[in-house]
Amino acid sequence: QQKVQQSPESLTVSEGAMASLNCTFSDGTSDNFRWYRQHSGKGLEVLVSIFSDGEKEEGRFTAHLNRASLHVSLHIREPQPSDSAVYLCAMRTQVVGQLTFGSGTRLQVYA
Amino acid sequence: DMKVTQMPRYLIKRMGENVLLECGQDMSHETMYWYRQDPGLGLQLIYISYDVDSNSEGDIPKGYRVSRKKREHFSLILDSAKTNQTSVYFCASRDTSNTEVFFGKGTRLTVV
Repeated sequence: QQKVQQSPESLTVSEGAMASLNCTFSDGTSDNFRWYRQHSGKGLEVLVSIFSDGEKEEGRFTAHLNRASLHVSLHIREPQPSDSAVYLCAMRTQVVGQLTFGSGTRLQVYA
Repeated sequence: DMKVTQMPRYLIKRMGENVLLECGQDMSHETMYWYRQDPGLGLQLIYISYDVDSNSEGDIPKGYRVSRKKREHFSLILDSAKTNQTSVYFCASRDTSNTEVFFGKGTRLTVV
C-alpha cells in the first residue's frame, strides 16, 4: 500500500520568513502530487498540483518534486498569519483518481 | 459555481444508531469518494464510486456502506454506529477527464 510521510508534524515561523514542508512517498509510480491547505474546521483547498520533476509555482506557494528521491516539498514565500493551517500532501495512486494523504503539518505563522 | 455539498455539517448520534451522510455535486462528475479524517492520520479512503451503482471499497471500508443511485448524490451509511467512527468525513468528486478533485467542507460526526 502506498505510504506518504510528512514532516515536520508542526512548524512555527514568523511572518515573512520562508516556510518549508516535506513529504516522502513509498514509490514513484504516482503521476500526480499535490498540496492542500486546511484551515481549522474547514474543507480542503488545493494549493499546487505537480506532475513532473522540478518546480511548480502558484503565487506564494512553490512545490518541488524529485521522484528519484521520492520527495516532494512545499515552500511558502512570505507566509502570513492567515496561512496558519494544516497542510496536507497527497499523491494520486494507480486506482483511478484515488488520493493517498500524508498525516499533515500544522503551520503556525506569527506576526 | 462548481461545488460539492455535504449534509449535515455536524451530527451527534448514539452508539448503535444508524447514520446517513449525504453528498451532492453539481458538476456531473462520474467519480466520487468518501474519506474520513482523524488527528495524526490524514485522510483515509473509505469508498470510491465510479458512477451510479458502481462502487468499490477503499482502504477502510469496514463498518460503512455506500449508495449511489444518481450521479449527483453519493451517500455514506453507518449501520449501528460505533464510537470509533467519530471523525470528520469528507466527500469529494472528480471528472475522469480531469485531474482535479473537489472536496466538500466535511461532516463532523460524533458517536456517543
